[in-house]
Amino acid sequence: ELKVEQNPLFLSMQEGKNYTIYCNYSTTSDRLYWYRQDPGKSLESLFVLLSNGAVKQEGRLMASLDTKARLSTLHITAAVHDLSATYFCAVYFGNEKLTFGTGTRLTIIP
Amino acid sequence: GAVVSQHPSRVICKSGTSVKIECRSLDFQATTMFWYRQFPKQSLMLMATSNEGSKATYEQGVEKDKFLINHASLTLSTLTVTSAHPEDSSFYICSARVPRGSGNYEQYFGPGTRLTVT
Repeated sequence: ELKVEQNPLFLSMQEGKNYTIYCNYSTTSDRLYWYRQDPGKSLESLFVLLSNGAVKQEGRLMASLDTKARLSTLHITAAVHDLSATYFCAVYFGNEKLTFGTGTRLTIIP
Repeated sequence: GAVVSQHPSRVICKSGTSVKIECRSLDFQATTMFWYRQFPKQSLMLMATSNEGSKATYEQGVEKDKFLINHASLTLSTLTVTSAHPEDSSFYICSARVPRGSGNYEQYFGPGTRLTVT
C-alpha cells in the first residue's frame, strides 16, 4: 500500500525556535514535493526534490530528501508567525499519481 | 508560473441538485488534470484522473456516476456532482500536470471550490 506519513501532525512552536517536520513514505520514489496550505486556500508549491541527497532552501525553510531511508525533512529555522500554515509532503510513486502526506499543522506562537 | 483557475470558488446548493465545477489552465495546455477532495483538517484525497479526450479514471471508492468528469479540451476539465448530499460538502481542488522531461512532472493546483450542500 502506498503511504505517506508526516510527523508530527500538529506542531506549536515559539517564534525564533527551530524545528523539523518529517515525511516518511512506504515505497521507492525519487520525486517528492512540499506544499504549504493556508486556511481556506489551495496549495502553494514550496520545494521539488528529485534525487537522493537533494537539499533546497528558501528563506527560513530547508527541505532534504533521503531516498534510501524513504525520508524527507522540512526544517524551519528561527520561526516567524507568517510560517503558520499546514504543510504537506507529496510523493510520486510508480503509478504516476501524487500521494499526499497526512499534513502537519504548524502554529507559531509569538 | 502556470496558473490554474477554478469556478466557482464557493457554491451552496440544495440536497438533490447537481453542481458543476470548472477547472481551467490559463496559460498552458494540460493533457492530464486531477481532481482532489479535501475534508476539513484532512489531507487531499485523489478522486480521479482526467485525460483530455478520454474517460476519466476514478480512484477506488469514488462513484463515477455521482462525480462526472469531462475533459473536453486541453485547457478545461469539469467536475459535476450529481444529486448532491450534505456528505458531499467538501473542498474540491483541481490540478493540471505538465511534463518537465526525464519522466518528471510539475503539478499546478487550482484555488479550490468550497461546496456546501444544505
